Amino acid sequence: GNSVTQMEGPVTLSEEAFLTINCTYTATGYPSLFWYVQYPGEGLQLLLKATKADDKGSNKGFEATYRKETTSFHLEKGSVQVSDSAVYFCALSGSGGSNYKLTFGKGTLLTVNP
Amino acid sequence: GAVVSQHPSRVICKSGTSVKIECRSLDFQATTMFWYRQFPKQSLMLMATSNEGSKATYEQGVEKDKFLINHASLTLSTLTVTSAHPEDSSFYICSARGRGRYQPQHFGDGTRLSIL
Repeated sequence: GNSVTQMEGPVTLSEEAFLTINCTYTATGYPSLFWYVQYPGEGLQLLLKATKADDKGSNKGFEATYRKETTSFHLEKGSVQVSDSAVYFCALSGSGGSNYKLTFGKGTLLTVNP
Repeated sequence: GAVVSQHPSRVICKSGTSVKIECRSLDFQATTMFWYRQFPKQSLMLMATSNEGSKATYEQGVEKDKFLINHASLTLSTLTVTSAHPEDSSFYICSARGRGRYQPQHFGDGTRLSIL
């Protein structure tokens, strides 16, 4: 079955530091890949997505590239801010018969200190 | 962007009460809606998937008589926790996706359910 493995946290950085959160996946076929962010006490917000190999998703300074050869979708940001503190979830979606269910990683808590 | 509204955001009630949570897609037609449960500091656990006009498909281990799901229209799904007990206390999150292969799921803000 499908699975997502992401870097375990917590991750603590200083403001303006470089961020990488690793994510690798196992899936059959050609899944779509997502990064979601969850702020305390809230639901998940879609941060970015990629639907095919070599696609790069980007939003709010965050980027991730769909690498089929390494089955990875690592999240990066060049300069984090305090407001980026949240839990980040990597996820994949199958297609068709799976009803587009999402398979989530366990989440990575990011804390950015001023 | 796509907006999903979930209501209420917080519920506190006595054991034995039934609680209904609503999930609405505000600016798109949600052909599929999903209900999740999230325990503290953990990932989301999918409870069930519902397609408009069809019965929900429950994940293994989720009691369908305990967690009643209705998806009567393309913009509304409800989750009713029947005869709730303290062990049902949790954070419940819905999501919705529109028609199309590459459509992402859009999430509500969640409902914090506390059963006393």
